[in-house]
Amino acid sequence: AQSVTQLGSHVSVSEGALVLLRCNYSSSVPPYLFWYVQYPNQGLQLLLKYTTGATLVKGINGFEAEFKKSETSFHLTKPSAHMSDAAEYFCAVSDQKLVFGTGTRLLVSP
Amino acid sequence: EAGVAQSPRYKIIEKRQSVAFWCNPISGHATLYWYQQILGQGPKLLIQFQNNGVVDDSQLPKDRFSAERLKGVDSTLKIQPAKLEDSAVYLCASSLEVLTSGTYEQYFGPGTRLTVT
Repeated sequence: AQSVTQLGSHVSVSEGALVLLRCNYSSSVPPYLFWYVQYPNQGLQLLLKYTTGATLVKGINGFEAEFKKSETSFHLTKPSAHMSDAAEYFCAVSDQKLVFGTGTRLLVSP
Repeated sequence: EAGVAQSPRYKIIEKRQSVAFWCNPISGHATLYWYQQILGQGPKLLIQFQNNGVVDDSQLPKDRFSAERLKGVDSTLKIQPAKLEDSAVYLCASSLEVLTSGTYEQYFGPGTRLTVT
């Protein structure tokens, strides 16, 4: 069965600092990988996805993620955090249905 | 384009009572999903519809949960009777279709927060 592991339930950064949210996956077939963001009292919004092709994927709001097969990782990064990035971030893997990680709450301080 | 609509947004009930949630997907989206998101966890798929047929309900507790999607549009999820552990956010999502490549994009509604006391 496919699964994802998100390291760190909470990540704190200062505004302007690098954001790094970690995700490792387990899949018996080439995976499709996703990052979703959830703002308080809202549903999930797709940030970016990896299917095939280029391993560096760019998403909305300045986020990007790199698929590394050798490390079974799909970490999410943003060069400079903004206060509005504070939210819950979920990594997910899919073959025919989405399997989500437990999420990482990003806290951004002024 | 209107997003996925859900109602109610919040619901508080006592254990053993029944409750129903409603979802209106994005127009034209053939596939509809119900997820359960317990506090501190990621969403877990409960049931997936393709038009008005069930594709996957393997994680739906069928002794107390039921769902239907009449006419392949709106959907309702019911819990009867509710237990304390059913306290969660129930998310509805829709997508255009489930492609064999698995690259469908799901659009999520705001969710219904259920508290069972």
